[in-house]
Amino acid sequence: GENVEQHPSTLSVQEGDSAVIKCTYSDSASNYFPWYKQELGKRPQLIIDIRSNVGEKKDQRIAVTLNKTAKHFSLHITETQPEDSAVYFCAARGTGANNLFFGTGTRLTVIP
Amino acid sequence: DAGITQSPRYKITETGRQVTLMCHQTWSHSYMFWYRQDLGHGLRLIYYSAAADITDKGEVPDGYVVSRSKTENFPLTLESATRSQTSVYFCASRLGGDTGELFFGEGSRLTVL
Repeated sequence: GENVEQHPSTLSVQEGDSAVIKCTYSDSASNYFPWYKQELGKRPQLIIDIRSNVGEKKDQRIAVTLNKTAKHFSLHITETQPEDSAVYFCAARGTGANNLFFGTGTRLTVIP
Repeated sequence: DAGITQSPRYKITETGRQVTLMCHQTWSHSYMFWYRQDLGHGLRLIYYSAAADITDKGEVPDGYVVSRSKTENFPLTLESATRSQTSVYFCASRLGGDTGELFFGEGSRLTVL
């Protein structure tokens, strides 16, 4: 099955700085790559996703990039704010597959 | 709009007891999933269901049983709880086809003593 690795496991940034979280996947057939944000004690919620026919996608301060050749994708958060503090999970899913395989999560702390 | 709800939210039980976690969704989503969340492991899939009466194993199915007699319900049963099953359990659902977004329930924190 798919194996998704995520780095770093923890990340601290000053408010206003950028944060980057990286993931790699093993199955070249994977074609859907979402990112979920989980605030403390809350449920995970989708913040952005990308499909394999697109190299980059932006939504305000967040963006995701995908390199299919290298089998890695990244989450970029610019102008970080304290409310961005959370655990972020990347995930991957293949065509016709039913499962999402998640990375182990990155705890982002934005220091005011 | 209730969405997707889980019960109980918190449960403490003893080793060897049977425990059932309930999941109910009001969207008529085809797919439903059970994940467990443990520190250092992220979210791991236990079982999923593509439709009523159709279930399949995920990454970590041992020790768990599921059923889906109705589209809206997807209970997860631990037949004989073990300490290693202490975890936070999330139910999730999504539309059928290639639609992506998973909608998660609030989670059920289970402690096995």
